[in-house]
Amino acid sequence: QMQLVQSGPEVKKPGTSVKVSCKASGFTFTNSAVQWVRQARGQRLEWMGWIVVGSGNTHYAQRFQQRVTIIRDMSTSTVYMELSSLRSEDTAVYYCGAGGGGSYLGYWGQGTLVTVSS
Amino acid sequence: EIVMTQSPATLSVSPGERATLSCRASQSISSNLVWYQQKPGQAPRLLIFGASTRATGIPARFSGSGSGTEFTLTISSLQSEDFAVYYCQQHHNWPPWTFGQGTKVEIK
Repeated sequence: QMQLVQSGPEVKKPGTSVKVSCKASGFTFTNSAVQWVRQARGQRLEWMGWIVVGSGNTHYAQRFQQRVTIIRDMSTSTVYMELSSLRSEDTAVYYCGAGGGGSYLGYWGQGTLVTVSS
Repeated sequence: EIVMTQSPATLSVSPGERATLSCRASQSISSNLVWYQQKPGQAPRLLIFGASTRATGIPARFSGSGSGTEFTLTISSLQSEDFAVYYCQQHHNWPPWTFGQGTKVEIK
């Protein structure tokens, strides 16, 4: 069964970085594309970027282009999303997802709450 | 960037009744639309892809229709477990993929 398990909640200060992990199991990791989406409280979902696991190619939403990095570790079937220069507006639940050929999220991680506060 | 607009923001429905949710795209997206369901404290769940194809395990009471710029999600007879927030998402033109603001289906 396809499963994505994310790392635990984080509390960060403005200006710092956060790195969220997403460990995959139950499917062929190398043939997948993993996407990241975030959701601030009461707000709509917001697509951040994705990585094609086999090639390592990434693509990011323009508004995050300068601050987000998505990488993968093939040895542990884990994808990481790092967001830098954090500000209070980055407080949100961050989700990873896979399936759907990279077009949509057929499977989701459980979400990771990132709180940015001084 | 394609803007997705959902209506209504909140839909009050009695159990057993039919619910009709709308999603509009700011430009044509063919049938490149999916619907998700999200319950409080949970990740979204894929319901419909390709505008009208139910995902694995999704009950037949959920149906999607539309193409171009106008889309509809219909829940034929609402069950207690269907009260949730529903989001549409386009995957026609990227980056980025974009989502609607959601429709909350609540108990009347």
